[in-house]
Amino acid sequence: DIQMTQSPSSLSASVGDRVTISCRASQSIGNYLNWYQKKPGKAPKVLIYAASSLQSGVPSKFSGSGSGTDFTLTISSLQAEDSATYYCQQSYTTPYTFGQGTKVEI
Amino acid sequence: EVQLVESGGDLVQPGGSLRLSCAASEFTFSSYALSWVRQAPGKGLEWVSTITGSGDTQYYADSVKGRFTISRDNSKNTVYLQMNSLRAEDTAVYYCARRSLQAPRYMDVWGKGTTVTVSS
Repeated sequence: DIQMTQSPSSLSASVGDRVTISCRASQSIGNYLNWYQKKPGKAPKVLIYAASSLQSGVPSKFSGSGSGTDFTLTISSLQAEDSATYYCQQSYTTPYTFGQGTKVEI
Repeated sequence: EVQLVESGGDLVQPGGSLRLSCAASEFTFSSYALSWVRQAPGKGLEWVSTITGSGDTQYYADSVKGRFTISRDNSKNTVYLQMNSLRAEDTAVYYCARRSLQAPRYMDVWGKGTTVTVSS
C-alpha cells in the first residue's frame, strides 16, 4: 500500500498568514494527489485535485504543487473560516490512502 | 443540485450487521464510480470501498475485506454498503462520495454522512 505522510500534524497561525502543508508519498504517484478540507460535523470538501488543479468554486487562496512523491498545499492570507483539518489523498491506486491530516488553528 | 444522501446508520452490537444506503440525484448515476469513506471518532479519513459505474468491479480496504460488500442499483440511483461481523473499530461516520470522471479520479461530491456505532 502507498503510505501518505503529512507534516505538520497541526499548526497555529494568525489571520492573514501564509500556511504550507506538506504531503509525502511512499512511492511515486505522478500527480494523482488530491487535497480535502474537513470541518467538524461537515462532509469533506475537495480543494485541489491532480496536485495543482483548483476545484471549481474553491477560492484561489488555495494552491497546490508537487509531483512524484512530494506535494504541498498552500493557503495564502489565512482567514478564520479556514480553520479545519486538511488531508492529502492519493488516487493512483487502491487502497486510496489519506494522509493523517493537518489541523489548522487560527 | 447534485446530491448524495446516506442513510442506515445505527447502534449495533459487535458481530452484528448493518446496511448503509446512499441515494444520488441530479447526475447520470451509472456513469460514476461511488466510494465509501469513514471517519472514526477523533481519527482521520479512511477509504473503505469503491464500486465502478457498471457495478462489475469492487475495491476494498484490507480492514473491511471479507466483511463488507459494496453494491449498487442503477435503476434506483443508490449504492449500498453491507456491513457484517461488525467490530468496535468500525464505529465511524460513513460518507458516500462520487469519484470524478477525469483523472486523477478524486472524490468530487460527498454526502453528509451517516453514523455507525458498534457497541454492546
